[in-house]
Amino acid sequence: DAGVTQSPTHLIKTRGQHVTLRCSPISGHKSVSWYQQVLGQGPQFIFQYYEKEERGRGNFPDRFSARQFPNYSSELNVNALLLGDSALYLCASSLAKGVGGYTFGSGTRLTVV
Amino acid sequence: KQEVTQIPAALSVPEGENLVLNCSFTDSAIYNLQWFRQDPGKGLTSLLLIQSSQREQTSGRLNASLDKSSGRSTLYIAASQPGDSATYLCAVPSTGANNLFFGTGTRLTVIP
Repeated sequence: DAGVTQSPTHLIKTRGQHVTLRCSPISGHKSVSWYQQVLGQGPQFIFQYYEKEERGRGNFPDRFSARQFPNYSSELNVNALLLGDSALYLCASSLAKGVGGYTFGSGTRLTVV
Repeated sequence: KQEVTQIPAALSVPEGENLVLNCSFTDSAIYNLQWFRQDPGKGLTSLLLIQSSQREQTSGRLNASLDKSSGRSTLYIAASQPGDSATYLCAVPSTGANNLFFGTGTRLTVIP
């Protein structure tokens, strides 16, 4: 079985631009969460989606948005990029809101210049 | 708000040594705790998941313990190898929600 897949692997954007990151969960998992990890820190929670509905949101500005599709894949969108948005963005899937633990993808490295 | 602390922040040991990584959390009302490994620039690999009803979980040379009442978990690595060099993160669910709170990790270097 494929694990959690994220695309793209790396991305370079200019300040003010918009970016879309994609995630496909493990087959059978209905919950997808997004985390931001800056260098030297632990991941910080951004969003959780379960059954296509937002179930949790971390302390991030409204420039960050996400959605989950009928096939349980998810997109994270960030508008008006700032230099401080440069980070590793991680997607995690679980059966149902953390039941059985979380499986993470390899991440998308976003660099804003 | 759940807070997670990991000690030490960095650890360097010779190959073959046994070692213990520590994790503490402020809110003991958790239903599980998960240990992850992260190689530089990579995603997180789950090592062990301990349910709140368990006290220990083992996988190969790894053993994790959980003491909910004191808000502590330890990850024991036996007979360390250079391939164990990585950052180890512990994570717990936040109070009343289902997202994870992470520590800042312990960066382990195993010297051949």
